[in-house]
Amino acid sequence: QSALTQPRSVSGSPGQSVTISCTGTSSDVGDYYYVSWYQHHPGKAPKVMIYDVSKRPSGVPARFSGSKSGNTASLTISGLQADDEADYYCCSYALDSSLYVFGPGTKVTVL
Amino acid sequence: LQVHESGPGLVNPSETLSLTCTVSGGSMSTTDYYWGWIRQPPGMGLEWIGSLYYIGTTYYNPSLKSRVTLSVDTSKNQFSLKVNSLTAADTAVYYCARFSQQLWTFDIWGQGTLVRVSS
Repeated sequence: QSALTQPRSVSGSPGQSVTISCTGTSSDVGDYYYVSWYQHHPGKAPKVMIYDVSKRPSGVPARFSGSKSGNTASLTISGLQADDEADYYCCSYALDSSLYVFGPGTKVTVL
Repeated sequence: LQVHESGPGLVNPSETLSLTCTVSGGSMSTTDYYWGWIRQPPGMGLEWIGSLYYIGTTYYNPSLKSRVTLSVDTSKNQFSLKVNSLTAADTAVYYCARFSQQLWTFDIWGQGTLVRVSS
């Protein structure tokens, strides 16, 4: 059972935007700016898309953006493309528990 | 830099799983990074198992700490995971990854290796 909660799935048409939420507590997401988002195409290595809540690593398109409000972090994908279809996991630092806690993952479907 | 997991694909219940992660294209003996293991049971989310520093300092998920041991061999540029007292619940894809202290994230992952616990 994950310490963070995410919607099981979200979907959108090409060109649209989708937002994935990641809800934690005041002991993890709410208390730290160490929230990352990972994209995972099955059978491949996960890839970090966002770190420190809203920062993008080099090479990640600006279509991917992150934010946080209270105990909930969010990942928004704008201008949805076919290759964005994947599972997305949030991860937060959590000093009081297991140091790093992941969400259960959200499947993004491009219609 | 790349990381790659290796180990058995099938292990008997109650036995010990041993996996190795080989780091290529760079040295793991650096103060900038930690090295970790994450797993994903079938149909479930990711779970952090533990991380270690190149000098051997270790950090474990409290839920697994009693059964997990991480170790490092800098001469081979490898780090390892051992999980004892295996049950079917330990069946998962096991990933090794690099954790960047600058970015505070797992920035390089292996492709993962599926381990099944079954007799």
